[in-house]
Amino acid sequence: DSGVTQTPKHLITATGQRVTLRCSPRSGDLSVYWYQQSLDQGLQFLIQYYNGEERAKGNILERFSAQQFPDLHSELNLSSLELGDSALYFCASSASVTNYGYTFGSGTRLTVV
Amino acid sequence: AQTVTQSQPEMSVQEAETVTLSCTYDTSESDYYLFWYKQPPSRQMILVIRQEAYKQQNATENRFSVNFQKAAKSFSLKISDSQLGDAAMYFCAYRRAYGGSQGNLIFGKGTKLSVKP
Repeated sequence: DSGVTQTPKHLITATGQRVTLRCSPRSGDLSVYWYQQSLDQGLQFLIQYYNGEERAKGNILERFSAQQFPDLHSELNLSSLELGDSALYFCASSASVTNYGYTFGSGTRLTVV
Repeated sequence: AQTVTQSQPEMSVQEAETVTLSCTYDTSESDYYLFWYKQPPSRQMILVIRQEAYKQQNATENRFSVNFQKAAKSFSLKISDSQLGDAAMYFCAYRRAYGGSQGNLIFGKGTKLSVKP
């Protein structure tokens, strides 16, 4: 157990639907990162939050959004889902922005049918 | 923009032997961090080893060591005494030391390592 908890582990949904992925960071970690892993695009950074505030954005689609709550857990919202959104979504956390190592959760496997 | 390239999609090694996975990167910055992550079939991303660019000494973690060549922008991973449990996807990753997006990792496409008994 890495200490970073992601739920659900698996999600199957239809095109056009909306889903929410949840991440609880390791205890004490203030920074949360979301990554998407797909066969064609590899591992891509989506977005980062630090202590409730958005810190950096990567290749995140406008249909996707995220937030970090006061208790530091984070949610990634994916809407108007397309087949190409099927991927493994990882959350990672670190103690601070400058901390150079961070811990990944076990991911959420999203399948859009 | 920074990029990370892993030129070996697949590698194979005999158990107890040594294997080296290659990684090159492109950046105009002088301070940064480099990492190797392991992803076994369980999908968990596991940090194997990290290197700070300002350190000339190559990082070592038990059977894992790196050959960091800053001028050549090369960062290879050597696995000694390979074990069956080393079989996994290995990702090389880069992270800026400073700047607005310093926290996020830029990953290579990965190298799938097979270990033969």
